[in-house]
This record gives sequence, structure tokens and C-alpha cells, in this order.
Amino acid sequence: QSALTQPPSVSGSPGQSVTISCTGTSSDVGSYNGVSWYQQPPGTAPKLMIYDVSNRPSGVPDRFSGSKSGNTASLTISGLQAEDEADYYCSSYTSSSTYVFGTGTKVTVL
Amino acid sequence: VQLVESGGGLVQPGGSLRLSCAASGFTFSNYWMHWVRQAPGKGLVWVSRINSDGGRTNYADSVKGRFTISRDNAKNTLYLQMSSLRAEDTAVYYCARGVSGSYGFDYWGQGTLVTASS
Repeated sequence: QSALTQPPSVSGSPGQSVTISCTGTSSDVGSYNGVSWYQQPPGTAPKLMIYDVSNRPSGVPDRFSGSKSGNTASLTISGLQAEDEADYYCSSYTSSSTYVFGTGTKVTVL
Repeated sequence: VQLVESGGGLVQPGGSLRLSCAASGFTFSNYWMHWVRQAPGKGLVWVSRINSDGGRTNYADSVKGRFTISRDNAKNTLYLQMSSLRAEDTAVYYCARGVSGSYGFDYWGQGTLVTASS
């Protein structure tokens, strides 16, 4: 199972919006609403930000939103804040009853 | 909710190691549980999962036949038995709880480092 494809880095100024893409195949992202997104600051464990494509767990700011079109999912961070600087990973359930993660994206707040 | 991994350490290639993940703060026996690993400076890689009663398991191709996931619901503990370890298995291993009735992982432990090296 190959990793889902994410851009290595994205950046934005405080208050701006950034979008991270996550491209898979018809065997994973395209087949299920099983895409989730994780935030990982350096040296810490990942934190769930979005599950089932667009659902936010309690406590996650509504600045974070998710969507999907075909084999590509997206995470948008609106009103970017300094505390949002971290690595972000997408994940998808697959037709093999396994999961696959994305390659990861470093978000930099300028 | 708290997940605490243990059992990591230095092991020679070809050796074995068993990781544990002690769960508390929720009804452990109601949830799918997962292992995810992260090599130093690299991305997250899903390793394995087990259903709530331990009767169903799945593995990544990279560990199939070498790793075994199991759980003891009476002890609220998840395990990962690793054998025939390779240098490329060197990573921080996280246990994570599956989102109830959905996809994804909603709580993670702090991880335990496994180093396969001579």
C-alpha cells in the first residue's frame, strides 16, 4: 500500500487560509468516507483534527475543516494562527481493511 | 482517556520484542485498537489493528507474518509481539484508539522507541 500524496510544505501569514491536499486512489480515499487528519507538533504524539472526511472532534477549533472530491481529500485551516504550525498527516481506510497515512505536510506560519 | 506504551528498547536484528499499551479512562473492551509507528524524522505508518474482542486483526504488508497484535480486555492492555526484527523496524511505536463507529484514531499514547541495531 503506497502512502497517500501530500505536499511537503505549505505556508501562510497569520489570519490567512491554507489548504493541504491528500491524494490517494479508488482503493482508499475514493472508496470510503474514511479520511482523517492529524496534527503533530515536533516531539509530540499526533492529535486527531478531522475524522470521516469532515467531522471535527470536540475541542478542535472550527477553523479546521475537511472535504473530499474523488480520490483527493483536503484540510483547510482558516484564520491561520501561530499555534497551528506543525506537521499534518492525512489517513484513509482502504479496501484491504487496513489504513494508510499520507506523506505529511509541514505548515509554517510566516 | 490515557494510553501508556512500554516495552521498547534496543534489540539486535533478527530478535524479538513485545510492546504493551495500558489503557485507562474508558471501556477498553468496546474499542478497536491500533499500532502506528514513526521512524526517526519520517512520517506516520499504520502497522496493525485488532477489534474489540480480539477476534479480528489486520496488518500492514511490511509486518505481516512477523508481528502479532493481541489484547487482554481483563487487563485493559494491548500488545504487539514483534519478531524477526529488521533495521527498518526502528521507530517510535504508538498505540491509538479507534474512533467509535467511524474511521480514524482519536486518542494516542506518547509512544515507545524500538531500535533494531547491532
